[in-house]
Amino acid sequence: GENVEQHPSTLSVQEGDSAVIKCTYSDSASNYFPWYKQELGKRPQLIIDIRSNVGEKKDQRIAVTLNKTAKHFSLHITETQPEDSAVYFCAARGGADGLTFGKGTHLIIQP
Amino acid sequence: DTGVSQDPRHKITKRGQNVTFRCDPISEHNRLYWYRQTLGQGPEFLTYFQNEAQLEKSRLLSDRFSAERPKGSFSTLEIQRTEQGDSAMYLCASSLDLGASGGNEQFFGPGTRLTVL
Repeated sequence: GENVEQHPSTLSVQEGDSAVIKCTYSDSASNYFPWYKQELGKRPQLIIDIRSNVGEKKDQRIAVTLNKTAKHFSLHITETQPEDSAVYFCAARGGADGLTFGKGTHLIIQP
Repeated sequence: DTGVSQDPRHKITKRGQNVTFRCDPISEHNRLYWYRQTLGQGPEFLTYFQNEAQLEKSRLLSDRFSAERPKGSFSTLEIQRTEQGDSAMYLCASSLDLGASGGNEQFFGPGTRLTVL
């Protein structure tokens, strides 16, 4: 089955700087890659997603890139703000339809 | 509230007891998913339904777990003979699947936190 690795597990950046979180996946049949943000005690919420026929997608301060050959995808957050502090999960959907999630990155925005 | 809802939000039970959770998806969504999340980990896929048909089950779903979606709307997840290792947050999600080219964003519910004593 699919296996998703996510790095780093914790990321601390100064407010205003950029943050990058990286994920790799194992199933070459995977075709959908969402990113979720989860604040403490709350449900995961989709912040951006990308499909395998696209290499990059951007939504305001958030962008995701996908390299199908290398089987990795990354989340980029620019001009970080205190409200960006949360746990971020990458996920992949392959031949099966359930999502396989990474273990999460705890993003800390320092004032 | 038109989002995914789950009931109860918290459940404390003794080892060996049976528990049942309910999920109400977004009304027009045809797919419903169950995940389990433990502290410090990402959600782990358990099973999913397309309308009333259960199409996929993870190897994580032991024989003590059963899920139903009898009318293609709400779903229930039952755990029989609970064990301490079943303690986790059980998340439900729903999506509208329109085929290979359609959108399939999964919207999550607030979860049911299960504690097995």
